Amino acid sequence: DAGITQSPRYKITETGRQVTLMCHQTWSHSYMFWYRQDLGHGLRLIYYSAAADITDKGEVPDGYVVSRSKTENFPLTLESATRSQTSVYFCASSEGASNQPQHFGDGTRLSIL
Amino acid sequence: GNSVTQMEGPVTLSEEAFLTINCTYTATGYPSLFWYVQYPGEGLQLLLKATKADDKGSNKGFEATYRKETTSFHLEKGSVQVSDSAVYFCAQHGSGNTGKLIFGQGTTLQVKP
Repeated sequence: DAGITQSPRYKITETGRQVTLMCHQTWSHSYMFWYRQDLGHGLRLIYYSAAADITDKGEVPDGYVVSRSKTENFPLTLESATRSQTSVYFCASSEGASNQPQHFGDGTRLSIL
Repeated sequence: GNSVTQMEGPVTLSEEAFLTINCTYTATGYPSLFWYVQYPGEGLQLLLKATKADDKGSNKGFEATYRKETTSFHLEKGSVQVSDSAVYFCAQHGSGNTGKLIFGQGTTLQVKP
């Protein structure tokens, strides 16, 4: 089915471990985004990408790494997870034009013990 | 800089009551404006949008009018249902051609039977 999918939906890991969250979209949208959602902070942009091989930092990029070798995939990696990165992570995509909305995945709930 | 401000929640209403969730924005120029809804455990879904001044976006009984004079985009619904209980986010398109959105903090709506 067309859309944007995130995996896994739930993940529990330990501090110091590396974890990768996956995001895949089938629309061939140029733009993709990673957000984290925490109580009291709303949505905060981590990284975004305008096209394959083009990525840029958002509001809270520290501790995260992204790559975009293919248009449809935009994985987010926590290289050494910390408890402060416990959050719900959302991936989104858009065509990028100023009147176009973003389309969101269902999120990954990540707990770091 | 550009920003979006929403009324604080939670908003608690009885079924069939009238709903207003206030949203104001600051921006250079006239950005596209959006309302998103997030049901428990899900990602954000586009509810409606307006791309220029005086446009009215509508969907599922919800409406919002782009008011440049008051820099507002208030969300309204004439008769809410229990199923409308969710978090509502107002957003504007960011400056430049980045595809980024600027979100408000979100307003939680609880509708009681």
